[in-house]
Parts: sequence; C-alpha cells; structure tokens
Amino acid sequence: SAVISQKPSRDICQRGTSLTIQCQVDSQVTMMFWYRQQPGQSLTLIATANQGSEATYESGFVIDKFPISRPNLTFSTLTVSNMSPEDSSIYLCSVEDAVGVNTEAFFGQGTRLTVV
Amino acid sequence: GQQVMQIPQYQHVQEGEDFTTYCNSSTTLSNIQWYKQRPGGHPVFLIQLVKSGEVKKQKRLTFQFGEAKKNSSLHITATQTTDVGTYFCAGPGGGSNYKLTFGKGTLLTVNP
Repeated sequence: SAVISQKPSRDICQRGTSLTIQCQVDSQVTMMFWYRQQPGQSLTLIATANQGSEATYESGFVIDKFPISRPNLTFSTLTVSNMSPEDSSIYLCSVEDAVGVNTEAFFGQGTRLTVV
Repeated sequence: GQQVMQIPQYQHVQEGEDFTTYCNSSTTLSNIQWYKQRPGGHPVFLIQLVKSGEVKKQKRLTFQFGEAKKNSSLHITATQTTDVGTYFCAGPGGGSNYKLTFGKGTLLTVNP
C-alpha cells in the first residue's frame, strides 16, 4: 500500500489569498486525484492530476481556481486560489496504482482549510 | 452522470446490534469499493468486489455485490465501539475505471 504525506494538515487563511497543498507518495503511482470533502459530506472529485500534462477537471471545477501540478509520479500540488469562505473544506489527495482490476484508492491525511 | 446512492444516512445502534448500509448505482459497475472514515480521519479502503453476486467477509463485516452489479451492501454483525465512523461505497465511472464516485456515506454511531 502507498504511504501518502499531505501537507499542511490544516490552515486558516484570509479571503482573497491562495493556499498550495502538497501530496508526496512513497512510491511511483499511476493515478493521483484531488477530492474535496465538506464537513459531514461525501467526497467530490476535483480533478485527476496527470503527470507531465494539464490536469483533467470535473464539472464545476476549473483550472484558474484549482491549479494542479504533477511534475513526476510521486508528487502533486493543488492550489486553492483567491479563496472565499465557501472554499472552507477538507481537501484530500488520493492515489491509485492501476494494476489489473485492483483499483483501491489510498488517501492522504487531508488538509482542513478554513477561510475567514 | 453516474449517481451512487447510499442509505441510511445515519444509523445509531447499541453495542452488539447488527448494522447494514446499502448502496445503489444508477449504472452497472465494473467493481464496487467500500471505505471507512473514522471521525477526523481520512477514508481507508476496506474491500473491492468485482464479480456479480460476490460475497466477501472480513471478520464481522460481510460485503455483497448484487447480481446486476448495480447494488451492494455492507453488514456488520455485533457492532463494537471501534466500528464507529462513516462508511462509503464508491464505484468507478465518468468513462474511467479509476475515477471513483462516492456515495453520501452512512454515519454509524455505537452506544456502549
């Protein structure tokens, strides 16, 4: 199983600023994803982080608001730009190693973001 | 798009009682996965079911995948306080076998 280090674990930010969240995996993985989880809610996929190319965003999420980098197979960043209180949420990095039909996802510890 | 529905949203039980959560997908799934998220924690993979009608057990947990591969259930026998958390089902979709759509989850609380 992959070990994922995600940081920061939490932050309180002023509206209008940006925060970059880092996700480091202890091994090379095929797939990396970023999710948002609002308190008491389910996980919503923001985007798939593609190594060496632009991320693939889900409906309702755009690159200008959530720029993503993935320079190699073990690292990715998600930036939450021009933050507003509505962005307060938990952001989770997830990885899957696509091996046959086994597609289990491993999650980082999450970043609990509060925008004031 | 694909929808994954999960019921109940909440379940409170006395320790020792059984618990079941149900998951239904709007589309046929190639597989279904179950995750547990403890309060304040992150989702942790429990199991993946692939075959139609598949049943898998992990100690007191029994997972089933429906014959039509559109529904699934998780049953816990004789709950313990360590079972507290939110249980999510998730299925691949959106044209990819790797992008997961999560159900809304069932929050289980156990009264000791």
